[in-house]
Amino acid sequence: GAGVSQTPSNKVTEKGKYVELRCDPISGHTALYWYRQSLGQGPEFLIYFQGTGAADDSGLPNDRFFAVRPEGSVSTLKIQRTERGDSAVYLCASSLIPPIAGDVYNEQFFGPGTRLTVL
Amino acid sequence: SQKIEQNSEALNIQEGKTATLTCNYTNYSPAYLQWYRQDPGRGPVFLLLIRENEKEKRKERLKVTFDTTLKQSLFHITASQPADSATYLCASQDSNGNNRLAFGKGNQVVVIP
Repeated sequence: GAGVSQTPSNKVTEKGKYVELRCDPISGHTALYWYRQSLGQGPEFLIYFQGTGAADDSGLPNDRFFAVRPEGSVSTLKIQRTERGDSAVYLCASSLIPPIAGDVYNEQFFGPGTRLTVL
Repeated sequence: SQKIEQNSEALNIQEGKTATLTCNYTNYSPAYLQWYRQDPGRGPVFLLLIRENEKEKRKERLKVTFDTTLKQSLFHITASQPADSATYLCASQDSNGNNRLAFGKGNQVVVIP
């Protein structure tokens, strides 16, 4: 089966523009995560979906960032009024079931990422 | 605040030798630590998970240890091969929620033929 896919692979935009980044998780995976990775850094958590709802969006840096997952599968990360500091690789991951507090971690499968460059 | 740290210097190692990477954590006690491999232009790929009550875990040529006293995990690649060249990331359960991972900066490993 296919892994996590993300489109576009690269996005170049101008400061102030609006962008949408798409993530197709592995079929059947109920949990979906967005991370952001800057050069020379590890991925940084942004938001986590369980099904259609955002179960944890506390990693979103500000209100310019928003994500949706209307049918519990594909997710879109939306960034308004982009700034140069938003330039990074945006990674999406999915897992079969969400981890339960105190229980065994469920492996997250990552996509290749979308490289966003804001000029 | 919670920190998970890796020495971000690149590790150059001769083929056949053992590469050892260190991951330190401070100000929290994760229930598990994980190690990922990341190649350029790709997302991280899960390698190993070790729980706090496990001292050591192995997978093929990989070995991970977890020392809760030292607050440290060591990641070993034995009999290293050029194909092992990549960045290796340490990650743990974030203290703010079990559903989010906190990553270290990663260590680049270069295996020289």
